[in-house]
Amino acid sequence: GESVGLHLPTLSVQEGDNSIINCAYSNSASDYFIWYKQESGKGPQFIIDIRSNMDKRQGQRVTVLLNKTVKHLSLQIAATQPGDSAVYFCAETPSNTGNQFYFGTGTSLTVIP
Amino acid sequence: DTGVSQDPRHKITKRGQNVTFRCDPISEHNRLYWYRQTLGQGPEFLTYFQNEAQLEKSRLLSDRFSAERPKGSFSTLEIQRTEQGDSAMYLCASSYGRWEYFGPGTRLTVL
Repeated sequence: GESVGLHLPTLSVQEGDNSIINCAYSNSASDYFIWYKQESGKGPQFIIDIRSNMDKRQGQRVTVLLNKTVKHLSLQIAATQPGDSAVYFCAETPSNTGNQFYFGTGTSLTVIP
Repeated sequence: DTGVSQDPRHKITKRGQNVTFRCDPISEHNRLYWYRQTLGQGPEFLTYFQNEAQLEKSRLLSDRFSAERPKGSFSTLEIQRTEQGDSAMYLCASSYGRWEYFGPGTRLTVL
């Protein structure tokens, strides 16, 4: 099966600091990646996506970096806020599986006020 | 609010009983997905519909599980003869592009 994993299961940061969440994937055929945020009791919420023909994509306070050479994805959150506390998942989809996404285990981000 | 709704939000059942969950996707989304999520893990793909056609099924979807999307709108996921290992959050998602909008999930507890 596919393997999408995260380097750190938990991350604590001070409010206002930047956060970096990492993710490794194993399928070189993956051509599309998404970061999701999941708050307690809710379904995952789309944050940002990136296609394999890109190295970097920026959104509002978030940046995703893709390193295809080492199959590594990261999510950077600028000026982390208490509302950013959640579990973050990376998900990938190989181009040959229709729209089936493979999710990593998740990183729990705690923002300390 | 993503617009995907699921019912019920919680279900407690005894082992051996059948359960059925419903998902109402965002209107006009032609793709619908079911995932299962256990505590501390990411969602695991179960099955995928494009309109009313079920196009992919995971090996996780044993013969006790069946999903339907009869008119290409809402979908149901039925689990027959539930087992304690079926206890999990069952998530539905819909899309018209490449990313998926998730519902709040149905938490199943099998006693």
